[in-house]
Amino acid sequence: NAGVTQTPKFRVLKTGQSMTLLCAQDMNHEYMYWYRQDPGMGLRLIHYSVGEGTTAKGEVPDGYNVSRLKKQNFLLGLESAAPSQTSVYFCASSRTSLEQYFGPGTRLTVT
Amino acid sequence: AQSVSQHNHHVILSEAASLELGCNYSYGGTVNLFWYVQYPGQHLQLLLKYFSGDPLVKGIKGFEAEFIKSKFSFNLRKPSVQWSDTAEYFCAVNAADNQGGKLIFGQGTELSVKP
Repeated sequence: NAGVTQTPKFRVLKTGQSMTLLCAQDMNHEYMYWYRQDPGMGLRLIHYSVGEGTTAKGEVPDGYNVSRLKKQNFLLGLESAAPSQTSVYFCASSRTSLEQYFGPGTRLTVT
Repeated sequence: AQSVSQHNHHVILSEAASLELGCNYSYGGTVNLFWYVQYPGQHLQLLLKYFSGDPLVKGIKGFEAEFIKSKFSFNLRKPSVQWSDTAEYFCAVNAADNQGGKLIFGQGTELSVKP
């Protein structure tokens, strides 16, 4: 089992560019999450999904969109990147609403 | 709204010293509690969790935590730290009745252990 994987690992964007981050899990988990990690602020939930075809907003959803067309994948999109979106992005999944398993992260820099 | 507070932002210890990291949360209902660890350059890993039952829970690598409901606290402890415990530690909470299992994280505590 690969667990939770994220693509890409690193990315540099210019302000206004768009990109999609891919999260994939091979544990048949129902729940998936996208967090951002910023120094001194812990992890903050961006969006989450409780099953294929469903998505919901988390704590800091502005500027991001998500899709969960397949159960194993959860995509995070930035339509027009801003420097404030420079962060490390973590995806997580869980079988129930309890223990979450995290991916290795994507380090995004927006210049 | 729920919140989680970790009072120690950076802790520096020598090897073999004892560790206690504080975590307090604000929520009046039933909660599930977690401690995660992030070693340098790695992703978050679960150290231990509390759902119900014995309020003293043991996790991996000799860590334990005690849930004190009256104090809304879930402090992490280890009797004797090692250099390999150098990492960032996050306390997290979710309300037992929340849809989707959304976790609220504390700000994190960076632990540096000097050999």
